[in-house]
Amino acid sequence: AQSVTQPDIHITVSEGASLELRCNYSYGATPYLFWYVQSPGQGLQLLLKYFSGDTLVQGIKGFEAEFKRSQSSFNLRKPSVHWSDAAEYFCAVGAGLSGYSTLTFGKGTMLLVSP
Amino acid sequence: NAGVTQTPKFQVLKTGQSMTLQCAQDMNHNSMYWYRQDPGMGLRLIYYSASEGTTDKGEVPNGYNVSRLNKREFSLRLESAAPSQTSVYFCASGRARADYGYTFGSGTRLTVV
Repeated sequence: AQSVTQPDIHITVSEGASLELRCNYSYGATPYLFWYVQSPGQGLQLLLKYFSGDTLVQGIKGFEAEFKRSQSSFNLRKPSVHWSDAAEYFCAVGAGLSGYSTLTFGKGTMLLVSP
Repeated sequence: NAGVTQTPKFQVLKTGQSMTLQCAQDMNHNSMYWYRQDPGMGLRLIYYSASEGTTDKGEVPNGYNVSRLNKREFSLRLESAAPSQTSVYFCASGRARADYGYTFGSGTRLTVV
C-alpha cells in the first residue's frame, strides 16, 4: 500500500524568501504524485501533479516540484514566498499504471509567512 | 461554476442522532470520494465510489454508510453519531484513475456533542 510522509508539521518563512516543503512517498512502482493547498476554511486546491515525463513540474501560483525516484521524494518549491501563500500544504500519492487507485494524503505542512 | 457542492456547510448533532451529508458534482466524473480531516491527521478516506453503482470502503469506514445515487451524487450517512465523528468532511470527484487528481468540495464542519 502507498503512503506519504511530510516530515515538517509547521514551517515559518519570511516573505520574499525561498520555500521548500518536503514529501517522501512509499510505493513499489511509478507513482502519481500531487501537491494540494488548503487555505483556512476552504477545500483543497490542486497545485501540481506528476505522473510521467519531465521530473520537474510546474504548477499554479509559481510553485514547482521535483520528482526524485532515488530518494522517493517529491518536494515542493517556490523561489519567493508571498504572504498569501500562508496555508496548509498536502502531498498525495496514487498508484501509477496498475489501474484504479485512490489518493493517499500526507498529514500536511502548515506554512506561516512572517513579514 | 462547475465543481463539487457539499451541503450542509455546518452541522451540530447530539450523540446518537443521524444525518446525511450530500455531495453533487457537475464535471461528469466517474469517481467520487468522502474524506474526513482531523487536526494532525491529514485526510483519511472513508468511502469511495469508482463508478456509478459501486462503493468501497476506505481507511476509516466504521460508523458510516454511503449511497451513490447517480453519477452526480454521492451521500454519506451517519446512522448514530458519536463525538469521535466530529470532523471536517470533504467530498471529492475525479476521473476513473487518479492520474488527474481530484476536485474537492468546500467541506462540511460537523460537531457531535
